[in-house]
Amino acid sequence: GAGVSQSPSNKVTEKGKDVELRCDPISGHTALYWYRQSLGQGLEFLIYFQGNSAPDKSGLPSDRFSAERTGGSVSTLTIQRTQQEDSAVYLCASSSLQGAHEQFFGPGTRLTVL
Amino acid sequence: AQSVAQPEDQVNVAEGNPLTVKCTYSVSGNPYLFWYVQYPNRGLQFLLKYITGDNLVKGSYGFEAEFNKSQTSFHLKKPSALVSDSALYFCAVRDTPTGTASKLTFGTGTRLQVTL
Repeated sequence: GAGVSQSPSNKVTEKGKDVELRCDPISGHTALYWYRQSLGQGLEFLIYFQGNSAPDKSGLPSDRFSAERTGGSVSTLTIQRTQQEDSAVYLCASSSLQGAHEQFFGPGTRLTVL
Repeated sequence: AQSVAQPEDQVNVAEGNPLTVKCTYSVSGNPYLFWYVQYPNRGLQFLLKYITGDNLVKGSYGFEAEFNKSQTSFHLKKPSALVSDSALYFCAVRDTPTGTASKLTFGTGTRLQVTL
């Protein structure tokens, strides 16, 4: 497809388990971003990748969160030892580095930690 | 630091009437401004952007936005609202130059409710 895709669309897990969320960006987009959308918190930036540069991890809320981007394309966001406060929709976006860099978002992964 | 304010949690308008969703911003450099729309259980859809040039920018679905530098505002407008426009709208800003990726800072969102 032509858009950003994310999997799974929904994930229910138990507190303390690890989860992996996947993002496939738009082909050719150099930059990839992760955001979190939760009730009462709005949209929070987590991390972004730009080409081969070191990622900007300044938005990761704790060391339980990590992300990688393999081969400059697919990205995985990993949350270790999940907590109930991690429950949210995790959104991935990608952009080119031309013009305004408008970001195009995937449908998100809804994570529920029981 | 950059920030965005959307002062209205909800805007109600009758179908056929004009609508305005307000947004003000704060950045240290030149602003790049965006509006996104989110329908229930969907991701964010890009509506329009401002980089430079004309203060009135046109986007998808008949929406437009007016950039006002002196008031640091970027209000979203539509001349005639449709019931199908009912959704959650987010204003966002970034301020780094082309060629360097950076995060978007989002407002808290405004829910638009269009009624018959």
